[in-house]
Amino acid sequence: GENVEQHPSTLSVQEGDSAVIKCTYSDSASNYFPWYKQELGKRPQLIIDIRSNVGEKKDQRIAVTLNKTAKHFSLHITETQPEDSAVYFCAASSYGGSQGNLIFGKGTKLSVKP
Amino acid sequence: KAGVTQTPRYLIKTRGQQVTLSCSPISGHRSVSWYQQTPGQGLQFLFEYFSETQRNKGNFPGRFSGRQFSNSRSEMNVSTLELGDSALYLCASSLFLYREGTDTQYFGPGTRLTVL
Repeated sequence: GENVEQHPSTLSVQEGDSAVIKCTYSDSASNYFPWYKQELGKRPQLIIDIRSNVGEKKDQRIAVTLNKTAKHFSLHITETQPEDSAVYFCAASSYGGSQGNLIFGKGTKLSVKP
Repeated sequence: KAGVTQTPRYLIKTRGQQVTLSCSPISGHRSVSWYQQTPGQGLQFLFEYFSETQRNKGNFPGRFSGRQFSNSRSEMNVSTLELGDSALYLCASSLFLYREGTDTQYFGPGTRLTVL
């Protein structure tokens, strides 16, 4: 089955700096890669997602890149702000096939220091 | 549209008891997935239901079961509770656009289960 590894587990940056979180996946059939942000005590919220037919996607300060050959994808946050502090989860799934569930990475705790 | 709702939000049970959790998806969504979240194991997939049928199941013992009703509402049941079942149980709903090859899952607030 699919396995998703996420690095780093913790990340501390200064306000205004960039943050990068990387994930690798094992199942080449995976074709959908969302990123979720979870603040303390709250539900995971989708922040951006990418499909396997796209190499990069941007949404304001957030971008995700996908390398299908290497089977890894990354989240990039530019001009970080204190409100970006949260746990970020990457996930992978293969919709359109028999697998319809998300397999999550272990999460990255991002701390943005003012 | 109203978001995904889960009831109850908090639950305390003792070992050996059973529990039923409920999830109401976003209106129009036909797929409901359940996840267990713990500090040690992170977010782990339990099962997914679509049109009242279990479409996929994660690696959990048979004590964990679920079902989906015709209105897409879903319940999950855990029998013979163990201390290790203490976790945040999240459900997520999605529209399931098969041909799109992708489907956004929206999470509910979760049910915090504590087993004593």
